[in-house]
Amino acid sequence: TQLLEQSPQFLSIQEGENLTVYCNSSSVFSSLQWYRQEPGEGPVLLVTVVTGGEVKKLKRLTFQFGDARKDSSLHITAAQTGDTGLYLCAGAGNFNKFYFGSGTKLNVKP
Amino acid sequence: NAGVTQTPKFQVLKTGQSMTLQCAQDMNHNSMYWYRQDPGMGLRLIYYSASEGTTDKGEVPNGYNVSRLNKREFSLRLESAAPSQTSVYFCASSERYSLYYGYTFGSGTRLTVV
Repeated sequence: TQLLEQSPQFLSIQEGENLTVYCNSSSVFSSLQWYRQEPGEGPVLLVTVVTGGEVKKLKRLTFQFGDARKDSSLHITAAQTGDTGLYLCAGAGNFNKFYFGSGTKLNVKP
Repeated sequence: NAGVTQTPKFQVLKTGQSMTLQCAQDMNHNSMYWYRQDPGMGLRLIYYSASEGTTDKGEVPNGYNVSRLNKREFSLRLESAAPSQTSVYFCASSERYSLYYGYTFGSGTRLTVV
């Protein structure tokens, strides 16, 4: 059972376009993280959000944690080819258990 | 560079063979983890070690054993490999056993069992 559902599964866009990917759950998470994974490498932490409604910005990336702490979104402005990769969300649920979503595979074309 | 080092990077095993995947971190982290990543399944936790001297089962522990050799090293052993264990294996570490601290991942071991 996937506690964290990510959508879309695949996204292919042109350089310069904006995009949003989502991470949803029916469970409440005490914190949530986003990672980016490039082919042949391990995931790399982008951000941690812990407060409902929290918004964090990392250059062209904007992360939001839902008010009820059940969902999160990642918005990329003016995507670049270097943004290509697999974006994973991970949430901390009950009993300090961590869950990963299956990811959104982003391809940014030049 | 500081980080998590996994060996080997690639391995092919025959069904029934055994092997140990090695992992070492040099960040003085207390907690270490083994995950497997399969297409469409995301990352699934096999075993973890919240602190030196302790190990616990994760979501998919069957067919695996682990050893926390010391604070730096955490190994994963497949006693009798099966084709269902074909996957990419990632070791990770964190300062404490809490998602607040974030994971640092190794670059993975791609294992094929034939």
